[in-house]
Amino acid sequence: AQSVSQHNHHVILSEAASLELGCNYSYGGTVNLFWYVQYPGQHLQLLLKYFSGDPLVKGIKGFEAEFIKSKFSFNLRKPSVQWSDTAEYFCAVNARAGGGADGLTFGKGTHLIIQP
Amino acid sequence: DTAVSQTPKYLVTQMGNDKSIKCEQNLGHDTMYWYKQDSKKFLKIMFSYNNKELIINETVPNRFSPKSPDKAHLNLHINSLELGDSAVYFCASWVGDHQETQYFGPGTRLLVL
Repeated sequence: AQSVSQHNHHVILSEAASLELGCNYSYGGTVNLFWYVQYPGQHLQLLLKYFSGDPLVKGIKGFEAEFIKSKFSFNLRKPSVQWSDTAEYFCAVNARAGGGADGLTFGKGTHLIIQP
Repeated sequence: DTAVSQTPKYLVTQMGNDKSIKCEQNLGHDTMYWYKQDSKKFLKIMFSYNNKELIINETVPNRFSPKSPDKAHLNLHINSLELGDSAVYFCASWVGDHQETQYFGPGTRLLVL
């Protein structure tokens, strides 16, 4: 079974700072990778996804993530954060062999607070 | 039109009661899921249904029972509610294509008193 580890549970940044949230997964086979965002009181929104191809993927709201297969990592980045980026961020994987029928395995989330 | 919808949005009930949460998707997807998000925001899959067949059932108490009357609906019935069942429950659906992601519903906030 796969597992996901997000290193930072709470991150506090000032506006315009650069952001990098770490995500590592544990699984021996091929995976699909995702980052979701959950704004306060809201549902999950997909930020970006990686299935195959270019390991650097760009998502919505200026976010990007890089898949490094050798490190089993899929870190999320944004060059300049805004106050509106305050939210909970979740990294998720699903094993390609099982297909989506296995559902997503989520990390424990990173609570990001952006100070004006 | 909302792709994945859930009702109710909020549910407050007493311990010991039985309640249901409904989920509907209008995407024509083959697979639907229930996830639970606990008070620490941790999301974990509970069930997956494909063409009315239960595919996985993570270590969820048998007080929880998913019911799928048809491909577009996956309801979650909970018997004898406990305080620890308080959480946000998310429904999701998936088309069945490896190149596609899951679509999540807005969530149902359940509070057991």
